[in-house]
Amino acid sequence: AQKITQTQPGMFVQEKEAVTLDCTYDTSDPSYGLFWYKQPSSGEMIFLIYQGSYDQQNATEGRYSLNFQKARKSANLVISASQLGDSAMYFCAMREGRGGATNKLIFGTGTLLAVQP
Amino acid sequence: NAGVTQTPKFQVLKTGQSMTLQCAQDMNHEYMSWYRQDPGMGLRLIHYSVGAGITDQGEVPNGYNVSRSTTEDFPLRLLSAAPSQTSVYFCASSYWGRWTGELFFGEGSRLTVL
Repeated sequence: AQKITQTQPGMFVQEKEAVTLDCTYDTSDPSYGLFWYKQPSSGEMIFLIYQGSYDQQNATEGRYSLNFQKARKSANLVISASQLGDSAMYFCAMREGRGGATNKLIFGTGTLLAVQP
Repeated sequence: NAGVTQTPKFQVLKTGQSMTLQCAQDMNHEYMSWYRQDPGMGLRLIHYSVGAGITDQGEVPNGYNVSRSTTEDFPLRLLSAAPSQTSVYFCASSYWGRWTGELFFGEGSRLTVL
């Protein structure tokens, strides 16, 4: 069964520094997608970045990049040049299969990031 | 752009009461789902639907019912609320078959069962 593990319940980072949020996953399906979402204190879920299992390059979206290591089954989120507004809960999630079978997204337990001035 | 709309945003129930959380989306998404969020447990899938008339159970379906009579609406029913159902509930939708597509979330509904 698919599983997402986020081992860091909380982290601190200084403003303007880079931070890495860890995510490992478990699946037997060769086709899967990995997602990161941000949940600020206001509660909404904000999509950040996506990585497909067959993608050759690591995904990047502005200050967000995904360090995808397929053999290690890890999909760590890297935030460069942290800003105070990055303080939030961050969730890693995975979808198995190439659509058709399921669109289900399974989430990890999240990492609470606090950016300090 | 309305996106995914959930109502109510807050609700307090007594044990044994019933209620329905409403979810509507205006993006013509085939796939809709309900999650609950509890501290330290992330988001857990309750029920999902891949189109009108089609629903299926997720990870934590007990105590919840769903139906999908239209593409736009996917209500979540609690028939007899229990304190263990105190949680924040999210409705989310996406296109079916676009497996690279992200889920679009509603703003959440905070439910307290006394």
